[in-house]
Amino acid sequence: KAGVTQTPRYLIKTRGQQVTLSCSPISGHRSVSWYQQTPGQGLQFLFEYFSETQRNKGNFPGRFSGRQFSNSRSEMNVSTLELGDSALYLCASSLNPGSVRSNEQFFGPGTRLTVL
Amino acid sequence: SQQGEEDPQALSIQEGENATMNCSYKTSINNLQWYRQNSGRGLVHLILIRSNEREKHSGRLRVTLDTSKKSSSLLITASRAADTASYFCATGGYSGAGSYQLTFGKGTKLSVIP
Repeated sequence: KAGVTQTPRYLIKTRGQQVTLSCSPISGHRSVSWYQQTPGQGLQFLFEYFSETQRNKGNFPGRFSGRQFSNSRSEMNVSTLELGDSALYLCASSLNPGSVRSNEQFFGPGTRLTVL
Repeated sequence: SQQGEEDPQALSIQEGENATMNCSYKTSINNLQWYRQNSGRGLVHLILIRSNEREKHSGRLRVTLDTSKKSSSLLITASRAADTASYFCATGGYSGAGSYQLTFGKGTKLSVIP
């Protein structure tokens, strides 16, 4: 099975722009979660989607949004970029909710976003 | 906010030695997971231990969990240069909407010297 894929792998934007990142989960996985990783704050949960619905959101401003499509692929969007949004954005997928095995999350390689 | 806190923050050992990393957390958990990250890349799942388990093994990895002390440890035996990476513990819990969320510590950076 192919792993979690994320595109693009690297992105450079300027302040005030917006960006869309994409994540394709492992085939059969229906839950997709997004995390932000920075040297200062470490790994922080952004949001989780299941069956095209956002079920949970971390403590991030409304500039951070996302969505999930019927094929479980997910996108996250950051509007009005700030310097502090520079980070590695990681997407993770998991199997089926309600099963302990589903708690194992499989991560993609990440998208490295640099805001200038 | 960080739930887990790893200790030490950095660890340097010789190849063949054992490496032990510790993780403490604050609230009750459903399970605890350990992940490895090589140099700013994606996270690789290593092992999941449930809250009712005390010890789990996977190859050269041994994880213990002490829920009374809210702590876990990861032992890597007979370390190899390829084990050089950052190691994170993550506590898992469910939100009211049934969403499962991982909360990560800041990680231990392990360097294995050949």
